[in-house]
Amino acid sequence: DGGITQSPKYLFRKEGQNVTLSCEQNLNHDAMYWYRQDPGQGLRLIYYSQIVNDFQKGDIAEGYSVSREKKESFPLTVTSAQKNPTAFYLCASSIDRRGVTDTQYFGPGTRLTVL
Amino acid sequence: AQTVTQSQPEMSVQEAETVTLSCTYDTSESDYYLFWYKQPPSRQMILVIRQEAYKQQNATENRFSVNFQKAAKSFSLKISDSQLGDAAMYFCAYRSARASGSRLTFGEGTQLTVNP
Repeated sequence: DGGITQSPKYLFRKEGQNVTLSCEQNLNHDAMYWYRQDPGQGLRLIYYSQIVNDFQKGDIAEGYSVSREKKESFPLTVTSAQKNPTAFYLCASSIDRRGVTDTQYFGPGTRLTVL
Repeated sequence: AQTVTQSQPEMSVQEAETVTLSCTYDTSESDYYLFWYKQPPSRQMILVIRQEAYKQQNATENRFSVNFQKAAKSFSLKISDSQLGDAAMYFCAYRSARASGSRLTFGEGTQLTVNP
């Protein structure tokens, strides 16, 4: 089955701890994205990557870090510097060939709660 | 910077009836894409429909259609013959067509309730 997987579905973190959210896709998409969703709000872009070993900050990158060592994987680390990390995190991917991006498709999301 | 506004936080419709969700956006660009995504209680974001700004014809996907008014910067979604499974949060989103403009800008969302 082709698609985007995120794990875990639910994640609990103690204050002061770093935690890493996984995102994997087998769609052969070039670009990958991380969004944050707070209750009753739309999605806000954290980081995105259009090619392996390269990524750019989105609108709310502070307190987060990413890596893109493989085309299929784009893990997001929520660091202790993120002041209010409790939220729903969505990963997405899209084709990005010849400089033209296509529709973004989303994973099922990870709900992160800080205790 | 582009902004997307959904002025209806909540809407309701009777099963089998038609409902229209509103979306306006602000941009100085002439070439872009617009999307409607659906987020059911499972919270998975599902693409409903997509519109290229250079196309004058409104996009349709089965019971879903859009009314794209480029000059007015308006992009409404019409759902015909509403079904219980259409109940969800609906998000309007904008993406630049520039080569480097791959990010999506989302509106705040409209919660749609379908009454049996």
